[in-house]
Amino acid sequence: AQSVTQPDIHITVSEGASLELRCNYSYGATPYLFWYVQSPGQGLQLLLKYFSGDTLVQGIKGFEAEFKRSQSSFNLRKPSVHWSDAAEYFCAVGVYNAGNNRKLIWGLGTSLAVNP
Amino acid sequence: GAVVSQHPSWVICKSGTSVKIECRSLDFQATTMFWYRQFPKQSLMLMATSNEGSKATYEQGVEKDKFLINHASLTLSTLTVTSAHPEDSSFYICSAPRDRDYYATDTQYFGPGTRLTVL
Repeated sequence: AQSVTQPDIHITVSEGASLELRCNYSYGATPYLFWYVQSPGQGLQLLLKYFSGDTLVQGIKGFEAEFKRSQSSFNLRKPSVHWSDAAEYFCAVGVYNAGNNRKLIWGLGTSLAVNP
Repeated sequence: GAVVSQHPSWVICKSGTSVKIECRSLDFQATTMFWYRQFPKQSLMLMATSNEGSKATYEQGVEKDKFLINHASLTLSTLTVTSAHPEDSSFYICSAPRDRDYYATDTQYFGPGTRLTVL
């Protein structure tokens, strides 16, 4: 079955500290992987995506993620967190649905709080 | 570029009434749009895939007669919640990939969402 697991429901880090958000997926084919961020009152924004090629992908706002096929993981990292990074983070995998459209399967999200 | 709008941003209605939510791609064409539902502190649940000029594809467990989807143009899709009840109260989000790079990148652009409260 296709699924995305984000093991950490809530994470709190201090401003300036490093961050890693975990994401594991289950999908039979080569995955298209995404990280989105959702801030209160704003729409979901794409942070980064992996389709193929270099397994370390760079995104916006200083985020990066590494695709590890052997571990079925796509963890999100940031070396130094800013208070404005406090938000909900979602990992997603792109799969095909019955109508042959691609759709996204979403993890449950990780809520990030940043202490000053 | 690649802006998706939703209207209204919030709506309160009485039980038994119908509510229409619009999703527009403002600066790009979108043959395909997606409708999601998000419960508080939870993930997004895909409800249906909307295709311009054809019937929507509903996910398993989603009542197509309850949630009517119309994709009348390349920039507009509407979701109508018919005979709404309190359990339909939720946050509804639409998204759309750009036609020109949909199959190349899969990137979807999301609307800000519509908060529906049914009394």
